[in-house]
Amino acid sequence: DQQVKQNSPSLSVQEGRISILNCDYTNSMFDYFLWYKKYPAEGPTFLISISSIKDKNEDGRFTVFLNKSAKHLSLHIVPSQPGDSAVYFCAASGPTGGNMLTFGGGTRLMVKP
Amino acid sequence: GAGVSQTPSNKVTEKGKYVELRCDPISGHTALYWYRQSLGQGPEFLIYFQGTGAADDSGLPNDRFFAVRPEGSVSTLKIQRTERGDSAVYLCASSPGLAGGELFFGEGSRLTVL
Repeated sequence: DQQVKQNSPSLSVQEGRISILNCDYTNSMFDYFLWYKKYPAEGPTFLISISSIKDKNEDGRFTVFLNKSAKHLSLHIVPSQPGDSAVYFCAASGPTGGNMLTFGGGTRLMVKP
Repeated sequence: GAGVSQTPSNKVTEKGKYVELRCDPISGHTALYWYRQSLGQGPEFLIYFQGTGAADDSGLPNDRFFAVRPEGSVSTLKIQRTERGDSAVYLCASSPGLAGGELFFGEGSRLTVL
C-alpha cells in the first residue's frame, strides 16, 4: 500500500526550461510535505517543504504547489539547470509519528545542456 | 560533526552473518530515524527513536532486525542471520524533534549480502 506515489520514474528537460515533478498521496492525515534531492552515493538532502495550510511555497527557482482536494503536489524548477540532475523524492508526514516521513519512489530528473 | 555520520559506508558480508551499522546524529538532535532504500525505490521507514526509546519500530521487517540508542545519541542497527534480500542502502536521519520539520540524512551504509 503505497501512500505516496511518484508515477514518473524519469523526466528529461532542456536546460533553461521548466521541470515539473508530480506526487500523489492517499493518506488524508498527511499535513506536511517535503521534497528531497539525491545525488548518487549521497544521502537525500532537503529541498523545499509545504504545510497543508498553504497551497504554494516558493524558494528561488523552486516552487511547490499543493492541491489538498486532489491529494496532489508538484515541484516546479525554473529555469532548470544541469546541476539539478538528480533523483527527487516526495515525502509526507502527519500530526503523529514524530516527523516520520513516508517517501515516494522518486523521479530521476535529467537536465540536458 | 556537522552532519549525520554513518559507518561503515560499505559493508559486504556473507549470508547468515551478523552485521552492525552505526549512526552518529547531529549534535542536539533528539529524534533519530533509520530507513532502508532498495535499488530504484524510495527510502522505506524502519524505526524511529525519540531520545533513548524506540517510539515506532513498525517498519522493521522481522525480528532479525534490531536497533538501539542507549544514550540518546549514537544508534546501532543490528541485523542477524543476514539474507540476500537485506542488501540495500541503510540511511540514518536525525531531527531536532520539533513538529513539521525536515530530517537530515547521512550518506548511508551500503550493505551487500552475498
